[in-house]
Amino acid sequence: DQQVKQNSPSLSVQEGRISILNCDYTNSMFDYFLWYKKYPAEGPTFLISISSIKDKNEDGRFTVFLNKSAKHLSLHIVPSQPGDSAVYFCAAARNTDKLIFGTGTRLQVFP
Amino acid sequence: GAGVSQTPSNKVTEKGKYVELRCDPISGHTALYWYRQSLGQGPEFLIYFQGTGAADDSGLPNDRFFAVRPEGSVSTLKIQRTERGDSAVYLCASSTGQGVMNTEAFFGQGTRLTVV
Repeated sequence: DQQVKQNSPSLSVQEGRISILNCDYTNSMFDYFLWYKKYPAEGPTFLISISSIKDKNEDGRFTVFLNKSAKHLSLHIVPSQPGDSAVYFCAAARNTDKLIFGTGTRLQVFP
Repeated sequence: GAGVSQTPSNKVTEKGKYVELRCDPISGHTALYWYRQSLGQGPEFLIYFQGTGAADDSGLPNDRFFAVRPEGSVSTLKIQRTERGDSAVYLCASSTGQGVMNTEAFFGQGTRLTVV
C-alpha cells in the first residue's frame, strides 16, 4: 500500500524555467510533509517542509504547495538551475512519527 | 565528524551470511533512524531509536533483521542469513529528537549491500 505517490518518475526542464514536482498521498492523518533532494551516492538532504495547517511555504527558489482536500502537494523550483538536477523525494509524517517516502522524481535541468 | 557516517559504504556478501552495518550519528542527536532503499523506490522505514531504546521497529521486515544502539550513539543494523532480496542501500539518519523531529533528520550516504 503506497501511501505517498510520485507518479512522474522523471522530469526534464530547461534552465531558467519552472520545475513542478507533484506528490499525492492517501492517509488523511498525515500532518507534516517534506521534500528531500538526493544526488547519486549521497544520502537525501532536507529541502523544505510544510505543516498541514498551511497551504504554502516558500524558501528562496523553492515553494511547496499543499492541497489537503485533494491530498496533493507540489514543489515548485523557479528559476531552475542545472545544479537542481537530482532525485526529489516527497515524504509525509503523522505527528513526529516516521517518514513515509514516495518513489522519487528524477529532475534534469538542461541548459 | 560533522555529518552522519555509515560504514562500510559498500558491502558484498554471499547468500546466507551475516552482515553488520554501522551508523555514527551526529554528536548529540538522540533520535536515529534506519531506512532501506531498493532500486527505483523511495527510502523505506525500518526502525527508529530514541536514545538507547527502539521506539518503533515496525518496519523491520522479519526476524533476520535486528538493530541495536547500546550507548545511545552508534547504531548497528544486523542481518542474519542474508538473502538476495536484502540487496539495497541502507540509509541511516539522525535528528535532535526535539520538536518536529523529521525536519531535522540528517541522512548518511548509505551502505550499499549486495547479496550474491
